[in-house]
Amino acid sequence: AQTVTQSQPEMSVQEAETVTLSCTYDTSESDYYLFWYKQPPSRQMILVIRQEAYKQQNATENRFSVNFQKAAKSFSLKISDSQLGDAAMYFCAYTERSQGNLIFGKGTKLSVKP
Amino acid sequence: SQTIHQWPATLVQPVGSPLSLECTVEGTSNPNLYWYRQAAGRGLQLLFYSVGIGQISSEVPQNLSASRPQDRQFILSSKKLLLSDSGFYLCAWSPTGGEQYFGPGTRLTVT
Repeated sequence: AQTVTQSQPEMSVQEAETVTLSCTYDTSESDYYLFWYKQPPSRQMILVIRQEAYKQQNATENRFSVNFQKAAKSFSLKISDSQLGDAAMYFCAYTERSQGNLIFGKGTKLSVKP
Repeated sequence: SQTIHQWPATLVQPVGSPLSLECTVEGTSNPNLYWYRQAAGRGLQLLFYSVGIGQISSEVPQNLSASRPQDRQFILSSKKLLLSDSGFYLCAWSPTGGEQYFGPGTRLTVT
């Protein structure tokens, strides 16, 4: 079965600095998607960034970028110029193109210090 | 643009009472729909998903059921709530089975 592992339960970053959140996954499939979701205190899940497995280029969305290492099954999220509003739980998620059911990691709680 | 609604936002129900949570999506047609539950401080657990009207797949055997009476409406129900049903319930939709977009959630407390 596919699994998603986030090995950092909590992380902390100084405002304006850069932080990287780790995620590894296990799958035997070749066609899949990976995502990072943000869950602020309001608890609504917000899609931050997506990566399609067949694309070599790492996805970027403004201050958010990923380092996708397909062979290593690693999918880390880099947040640049961290802002106080970035403080939240961050979840890594996986889905296969044919299924569409998201498998989530347990999350990383990110704190941003002013 | 597409929007997803959930209600109620908060619910406190006694053990043994029935439950009905509703989710509706606007601005799209024939979406995939999902119900998740999140226990305090934990990740999301997929409960049900639907690829069309009347088509429901259950991921976890439990005290809950789901129905999709209309294309953009997804309902989560229970006949008799248990204490263990407490949690945060999230509905999500997906256009193609890739990324999913979540509603604001319902906080359910069973007393």
